[in-house]
This record gives sequence, structure tokens and C-alpha cells, in this order.
Amino acid sequence: DTGVSQDPRHKITKRGQNVTFRCDPISEHNRLYWYRQTLGQGPEFLTYFQNEAQLEKSRLLSDRFSAERPKGSFSTLEIQRTEQGDSAMYLCASSMGTSGRALHEQYFGPGTRLTVT
Amino acid sequence: EDKVVQSPLSLVVHEGDTVTLNCSYEVTNFRSLLWYKQEKKAPTFLFMLTSSGIEKKSGRLSSILDKKELSSILNITATQTGDSAIYLCAVEYGNKLVFGAGTILRVKS
Repeated sequence: DTGVSQDPRHKITKRGQNVTFRCDPISEHNRLYWYRQTLGQGPEFLTYFQNEAQLEKSRLLSDRFSAERPKGSFSTLEIQRTEQGDSAMYLCASSMGTSGRALHEQYFGPGTRLTVT
Repeated sequence: EDKVVQSPLSLVVHEGDTVTLNCSYEVTNFRSLLWYKQEKKAPTFLFMLTSSGIEKKSGRLSSILDKKELSSILNITATQTGDSAIYLCAVEYGNKLVFGAGTILRVKS
């Protein structure tokens, strides 16, 4: 399968614990995006990377959220001291990142569903 | 604040019907509008529109952008049960996408 993959697919954690999610983009894609989706809403942009550079992170929901893409390939999203309001689907997407449709046609992964109890 | 509004929120039709989904936006520095289909998991790309008045078509689906009215429509003709999904509209600005809440379409056989 050469699509975007995310791990784990489901995560149940207790409030206050830290969680980390991984995203592996399509191999030739240099842009990687993180979104959060709650029930009845469209995906909400969190942050994105061009190769290893994090070019936009102002939409990360709080300082408990952080993301990395250390070698410009896979990325991790960490949530520290989880709260019940963090329960959501966390989606990763990637794109070629050049211009036109290749820039904007984002391929989404299956998501990680987080439940904070 | 930038926002994307889709209507209707949900729609139930019978196979063979034609549907029109609406998307309106208020976004500074608009660059493009995209439509996605979301079934049980990840959204999949349908169309990208940048120019007003030019229709994009893919089989039974078509879409058009009206920059003057800050809106777009997605048409699906001869609907099939496999068209049942959430249809998401997103507007691109500043290298990120702002999504609407989606329209839930259910096609009954």
C-alpha cells in the first residue's frame, strides 16, 4: 500500500497521559499536514511541514500539542497531559508540494481516533 | 474570521435523483476551492477549482466556482447508493485548507 498511513488507528488513554501519533506520508510527497476532526465537523487544520521545516504551527490548539518531522519523512504529533476535549480523529495528509493541483491535492491517511477517558 | 459554510447539512434522495450541494466562503486571499468525499474514513479528493465559471467534470460529478458570489456547487447526477458519503468543501489560503462542516448525503435504493 503506497498511501498515507497512520499509527495507531485507535488510542484510548486516561486524562493526563501523553500520547504520540505517527504519520507516514506518500514517499515522494514533501508536504505533510495534520488535522483534527470532531463529529459533525470538517477537518480542522493544525500544522504543516515542507520537508522537515514546520512552516505553520499557529493553529496548534495549545502548547500541549507539538509535531515533528525530523528527517522530512514520517511525522509525529504529540499531545501532552491529555484532556477529554482532545478526543477526536487526528488526520494526516500529504501532497507533492510543488504548484497547482499537485500542491493542493492532499491525500489523507485513515486517521487516529483518540478517546480520552 | 475565515469560514466555509455548506448547505444543506444533510440530504436524503432516491437512486437516480440529481443533487446539488452548496458551499459558500469568506476567506481572505482566496486561492482555490476543493471538494472532497468522505466515507467511513479519510477524505478523498474530487475537484480543485481556481477560476470562476469553468466547470470541472468527472463522470456523474461536476462542480463550478463563482468567485463573484464567493460560492461553489457540486452536482451529482443519476445518484447511486455508492454516492452516500459526507461531501466536504475546503478553501485554500496561505498554504492551508479551511473546511466546511460537510453535507451528509444518503442515497436510498
